[in-house]
Amino acid sequence: GAGVSQSPSNKVTEKGKDVELRCDPISGHTALYWYRQRLGQGLEFLIYFQGNSAPDKSGLPSDRFSAERTGESVSTLTIQRTQQEDSAVYLCASSLGEVLRGLSETQYFGPGTRLLVL
Amino acid sequence: AQSVTQPDIHITVSEGASLELRCNYSYGATPYLFWYVQSPGQGLQLLLKYFSGDTLVQGIKGFEAEFKRSQSSFNLRKPSVHWSDAAEYFCALNTNAGKSTFGDGTTLTVKP
Repeated sequence: GAGVSQSPSNKVTEKGKDVELRCDPISGHTALYWYRQRLGQGLEFLIYFQGNSAPDKSGLPSDRFSAERTGESVSTLTIQRTQQEDSAVYLCASSLGEVLRGLSETQYFGPGTRLLVL
Repeated sequence: AQSVTQPDIHITVSEGASLELRCNYSYGATPYLFWYVQSPGQGLQLLLKYFSGDTLVQGIKGFEAEFKRSQSSFNLRKPSVHWSDAAEYFCALNTNAGKSTFGDGTTLTVKP
């Protein structure tokens, strides 16, 4: 079956512009995660959606970052007034969401969106 | 706060040689530990995970990892490396849903 897909695969934007990144999770997965990966570093947690519960936004680095999810499907990560330090690969992952708090669930990652802010 | 340390930024091994990638974690309770591999241009793929039971965990592609609570370690091993194993490897720790903490990764180069 289809895996997690993300679009665009690459995005170049100018400082100060807004960008939207899209994630299509695996069908049937109720949990969805966004991470940021800066060059040469590991993944930083950004936000987590689980079903109809309020999302865990504790990893969002500033109020310029926001994310939405339509039901249990597509999610959009929006970065307003982009800054050069926002340049990174943004990864989305999904999981079944069956296990309590998802501690041991396998997350399936998309290929990421590479964002470059000039 | 939890943390994951991968002490080796870059490791080079010869094809056919054995491999061990180190991972140390800091967390006060039972950790849920994962190893992922990231090949160029591809997303992360889960190699194996540990959350209870046998401390030696078998994964895909011939990888295994051993959880050692006394050393706060979860090192990844493979007895014989193949050229296709060249990639970046990440160790991760789950303590709360969605809040996976990742190490900075180890880049593996395989010499012919």
